[in-house]
Amino acid sequence: DTGVSQDPRHKITKRGQNVTFRCDPISEHNRLYWYRQTLGQGPEFLTYFQNEAQLEKSRLLSDRFSAERPKGSFSTLEIQRTEQGDSAMYLCASSSKGQTSGNTIYFGEGSWLTVV
Amino acid sequence: GQQLNQSPQSMFIQEGEDVSMNCTSSSIFNTWLWYKQDPGEGPVLLIALYKAGELTSNGRLTAQFGITRKDSFLNISASIPSDVGIYFCAGQDGSSNTGKLIFGQGTTLQVKP
Repeated sequence: DTGVSQDPRHKITKRGQNVTFRCDPISEHNRLYWYRQTLGQGPEFLTYFQNEAQLEKSRLLSDRFSAERPKGSFSTLEIQRTEQGDSAMYLCASSSKGQTSGNTIYFGEGSWLTVV
Repeated sequence: GQQLNQSPQSMFIQEGEDVSMNCTSSSIFNTWLWYKQDPGEGPVLLIALYKAGELTSNGRLTAQFGITRKDSFLNISASIPSDVGIYFCAGQDGSSNTGKLIFGQGTTLQVKP
């Protein structure tokens, strides 16, 4: 499968614990995004990487959240001291800059987080 | 901030009927994308639109990029049960260099066999 891969698909954690999600984008895609989606809503932008550089962060990304893309390939999203309000699906997406047809963004299957 | 209004919020139709949904924006977008999402899964890209006025088809799906660049619609012809799901429009702001997407609230489609 050459699509965007996310791991784990589901995570249940106790409030206050740290969690980390991994994303493997489509090979050679230099743009990588993280989004968050809650029930009944569309995905909301969290952060954007171009290669290894994190170029934009949403106000939704509190200081408990940190994302990295150390070698410009896979990315991790860590949430520290989880709160019940962090329960959501975390979506990773990737695209390739410079396509003549535009910046088409492809999503992974998502990582469901439940904080109890 | 930017807002996308997607309508209708939900639809319950008979198999074989045509479906139409649309999105309007408070600002101009340079790209419109339409996604379908099944429960517990990530959004799957259906159609991408890159130019104002563009009309693009993908099987029974047809989408158009509005001339004003502030709206888009998606039509599904001759619906079938597997069309069930949530459909999202998403726009890319031309003033942003990141290509990030702004999503509508989604249209939930249910098809009665």
